[in-house]
Amino acid sequence: AQTVTQSQPEMSVQEAETVTLSCTYDTSESNYYLFWYKQPPSRQMILVIRQEAYKQQNATENRFSVNFQKAAKSFSLKISDSQLGDTAMYFCAFMKLTGNQFYFGTGTSLTVIP
Amino acid sequence: DAGVIQSPRHEVTEMGQEVTLRCKPISGHDYLFWYRQTMMRGLELLIYFNNNVPIDDSGMPEDRFSAKMPNASFSTLKIQPSEPRDSAVYFCASIGLVDTEAFFGQGTRLTVV
Repeated sequence: AQTVTQSQPEMSVQEAETVTLSCTYDTSESNYYLFWYKQPPSRQMILVIRQEAYKQQNATENRFSVNFQKAAKSFSLKISDSQLGDTAMYFCAFMKLTGNQFYFGTGTSLTVIP
Repeated sequence: DAGVIQSPRHEVTEMGQEVTLRCKPISGHDYLFWYRQTMMRGLELLIYFNNNVPIDDSGMPEDRFSAKMPNASFSTLKIQPSEPRDSAVYFCASIGLVDTEAFFGQGTRLTVV
């Protein structure tokens, strides 16, 4: 079975500062995808960033980047130059390539303080 | 495509009543997932379908919960009878065969009083 763990239920960061959200996972799969989804108060689930497990290079999307450590099964999200619009719940997710099952962590509520 | 469409957006019902949540996946997507979101447990996978066939329903909490996918463009999640502890946001998501991203609906906020 796959599990995704987010050990930080809540975090806060000053506007324009950098914050890192943690995620660990457990799987016996060798090939998979990892994701960070953002859920603002509107409730919509928005894909922030995606990482293929077979790629060693860490994914980046503008102010968002990940630190993917496959051996340690760690997948943290770094948000640089935090903006008020980044305030949201952030979910780490794992997807098996066989069967396309998606597993989510319990989420981290991030508040950007002006 | 309009994306994954869920209805209703909000549902308030009395304990013991039957509740039916609906989902229309993105056209052409082969996988459909039902999730339940609560503060305590986050996003729990309830069940998922591949080509309209239920593949894994191990996340369905009790026999009171059932899900169907009669065709590629429609799925339902039914709770009968509903209980206050079923109150949550229920999400539907779909993925295409070659996609590497799950597309979510807006969710249904269910309140059982």
